[in-house]
Amino acid sequence: SYELTQPPSVSVSPGQTASISCSGDKLGSKYSCWYQQKPGQSPVLVIYQDTKRPSGIPERFSGSYSGNTATLTISGTQAMDEADYYCQAWDSSTVVFGGGTKLTVL
Amino acid sequence: QVQLQESGPGLVKPSETLSLTCTVSGGSISNYYWSWIRQPPGKELESIGYIYYSGSTNYNPSLKSRVTMSVDTSKNQFSLKMSSVTAADTAVYYCARGQRVGNTGYHLDYWGQGTLVTVSS
Repeated sequence: SYELTQPPSVSVSPGQTASISCSGDKLGSKYSCWYQQKPGQSPVLVIYQDTKRPSGIPERFSGSYSGNTATLTISGTQAMDEADYYCQAWDSSTVVFGGGTKLTVL
Repeated sequence: QVQLQESGPGLVKPSETLSLTCTVSGGSISNYYWSWIRQPPGKELESIGYIYYSGSTNYNPSLKSRVTMSVDTSKNQFSLKMSSVTAADTAVYYCARGQRVGNTGYHLDYWGQGTLVTVSS
């Protein structure tokens, strides 16, 4: 079955840039997206189709990709950005999530 | 604004069938995909599968033998049934709206608040 690999945790200082990676076989040939999930809340879509940002998502959230790795970047990270982040792709008509990355803003 | 609301029993006995319904408001169920996702306590998200408004389905291969999804366009609802549940099926179950992008992408733009289903005798 298809797998997406994320680092379990990433730490960043307030105001700095956080980058979270997501890798998978031939991920470069698929669209990836990213969700933010805060404790006790439902996930929120923050990036879709690799680089697009839904309405209402701050500009500090951006997505990119290189080869078979997608990256979520948060510029000028704020305390409110502390959350779990999940990448997701679609393989063989099946929805696949990465294992999630806990972003800590120290 | 599209809203989704899960409903169903919060407690299911082992070996029985879990049944949940998602009611969509603020928009039509037509012309979209509708997903079920679950998250065991403290763990990651897992896709259960999705259903198109026309009724076509796609299930997670690891759950396929136990899962059935259906849609009722007249009520703007879609449903999940999972049979032969065990404690490992204890999780928060979310419903969400799916947007398919050709044959290479699918993302979930609206989510329900989630409902905790506990499997226990």
